[in-house]
Amino acid sequence: KAGVTQTPRYLIKTRGQQVTLSCSPISGHRSVSWYQQTPGQGLQFLFEYFSETQRNKGNFPGRFSGRQFSNSRSEMNVSTLELGDSALYLCASSLGVGFGDTEAFFGQGTRLTVV
Amino acid sequence: EDQVTQSPEALRLQEGESSSLNCSYTVSGLRGLFWYRQDPGKGPEFLFTLYSAGEEKEKERLKATLTKKESFLHITAPKPEDSATYLCAVQGGGGNKLTFGTGTQLKVEL
Repeated sequence: KAGVTQTPRYLIKTRGQQVTLSCSPISGHRSVSWYQQTPGQGLQFLFEYFSETQRNKGNFPGRFSGRQFSNSRSEMNVSTLELGDSALYLCASSLGVGFGDTEAFFGQGTRLTVV
Repeated sequence: EDQVTQSPEALRLQEGESSSLNCSYTVSGLRGLFWYRQDPGKGPEFLFTLYSAGEEKEKERLKATLTKKESFLHITAPKPEDSATYLCAVQGGGGNKLTFGTGTQLKVEL
């Protein structure tokens, strides 16, 4: 059974540019969440999508956005990149939202470096 | 607001020296407490989910327990391959949002 796939694995962008990251969840999983991981802040929740609808949003500026497609694949976009956006971006997929369905499995992440 | 505190921040053990990692939490309506293992440069690897106080789960040399205020990850007779960062997270309220602690970095030496 394939795991969570994130592409690309590594990205280098310049300040002011925008970037799109992609996540393909485990087959059959309908919930996708995104997290930002930095050495100083640890893992912080960005947003969650279920059946193409955003269910939760973390405390990040509007430059961070996402969407989910009908096949459950998800993308997140960061516009007007800042140096502080350099981080490991992680995607997690879950089966659903009911009790026992919420175990989250993570991808390997996309390492974004902003220069 | 949900909060998770993990201790110690770092732990160095000799191979075979058992120990425990602590995860203290405050959450509004706990729906699940999760333990993950993370190796450098990789995504977190799922270990356990605990749902209610008194629950215990085991996997190889690892055993996770849960009370109303904290969880412990017991490591019995660790091996060097158990070296990693162990993350604790809670899920409360609606949706699948996880609130993570900052992790315990474990190093097991020969």
